[in-house]
Amino acid sequence: EAQVTQNPRYLITVTGKKLTVTCSQNMNHEYMSWYRQDPGLGLRQIYYSMNVEVTDKGDVPEGYKVSRKEKRNFPLILESPSPNQTSLYFCASTGTSGRGHSGELFFGEGSRLTVL
Amino acid sequence: SQKIEQNSEALNIQEGKTATLTCNYTNYSPAYLQWYRQDPGRGPVFLLLIRENEKEKRKERLKVTFDTTLKQSLFHITASQPADSATYLCVTPGSARQLTFGSGTQLTVLP
Repeated sequence: EAQVTQNPRYLITVTGKKLTVTCSQNMNHEYMSWYRQDPGLGLRQIYYSMNVEVTDKGDVPEGYKVSRKEKRNFPLILESPSPNQTSLYFCASTGTSGRGHSGELFFGEGSRLTVL
Repeated sequence: SQKIEQNSEALNIQEGKTATLTCNYTNYSPAYLQWYRQDPGRGPVFLLLIRENEKEKRKERLKVTFDTTLKQSLFHITASQPADSATYLCVTPGSARQLTFGSGTQLTVLP
């Protein structure tokens, strides 16, 4: 079954304690991205990756890091989480055509993070 | 940068009626526009994509239009059902291969 898997689905942590949210897709997609969703603000892109070892900032990258060492995995790293990073996080992936990214996004089920 | 405005945060309609949701973009005409459905606590699910050279796209009870003059896309659900109740998101490509999401319209279909 084609899917995007995120872990953990729920996490409560404390300020400053490094954490990683993993994302894995089994569709051999080149493009992967991370979003955060907050009430009234919609989905905002944190980072995206066009392929292995190619990553770029989205609209709200501050406080986050990513890496793309393998095609299927795109972890989101919070080196020193703060309460303003409490949010619902989604990972997504899509294949790319010769004309660039234009395909449907496949989303994970989300990771609800609370930073105390 | 591209901005998207979806007409209202919430829309209530009676079962069987046609729901019409609006997505307006502010800057350049995007090469395409996508619509997604999101249920509470779940990831968005792709519904339809319409390209700039297409006026209309249909899929079962769904119809999307794209008017580059008005800088607007309309999303219609005909013969709406309570199961259509969800938040619907409009998405366009922004600059540098980013994607810009609207904040969504929460549709409630009343039985």
